[in-house]
Amino acid sequence: DIVMTQSPDSLAVSLGERATINCKSSQTVLYSSKNKNYLAWYQQKPGQPPKLLIYWASTRESGVPDRFSGSGSGTDFTLTISSLQAADVAVYYCQQYFTSPPTFGQGTELEIK
Amino acid sequence: EVQLLDSGGGLVQSGGSLRLTCAASGFTFSSHAMSWVRQAPGKGLEWVSSISPSDGTTFHADSVKGRFTISRDNSKNTLYLQMNSLRAEDTAVYYCAKSGGITYYSPFDYWGRGTLVTVSS
Repeated sequence: DIVMTQSPDSLAVSLGERATINCKSSQTVLYSSKNKNYLAWYQQKPGQPPKLLIYWASTRESGVPDRFSGSGSGTDFTLTISSLQAADVAVYYCQQYFTSPPTFGQGTELEIK
Repeated sequence: EVQLLDSGGGLVQSGGSLRLTCAASGFTFSSHAMSWVRQAPGKGLEWVSSISPSDGTTFHADSVKGRFTISRDNSKNTLYLQMNSLRAEDTAVYYCAKSGGITYYSPFDYWGRGTLVTVSS
């Protein structure tokens, strides 16, 4: 199984500042012939189901604010929130869908400093 | 509007059975792979099972293989998870999740609200 490791486990950022969450996969999730990274990011607020933010590592889901961006390739990926808003307090998960079974990172808890 | 209404959770004794149901609407159900993903209390997300759109091909996590069975009824736009031989470690919120594509090698673009399964030992 591909192991997804996120860092840090928790993060406190001031309102309006940048937040950066990292995700590393134990094997590549890049499908070379398609030049696509099979990597998604989700946001989960307390008491709610996860919400898809980013897929193919850098494609923003419809309706997701443009302050959220994804980058990276192969085994190393980053989710960046350019200017943190109060509504962004949540746990963030990365997930690979390159191989079976699909696997998630352990989650990064983002809070306001 | 895509809606996934998952239900069927509850309290069950160890060794017991439950059947979860997910009623889908707002999209062409028969064109998308569907999955169950669970989350133990205070823990992260764990994929459980997936099923292809039409030929019924299924995939299960090793932790549930032989005990859980995923199925679907495309005529009713409904997804199921039959859970047998339940263990305390199966205690979790179970989410129904829609794949963005035909195969489950795609992100989960919509999720149900979740249904809580509690297994008492």
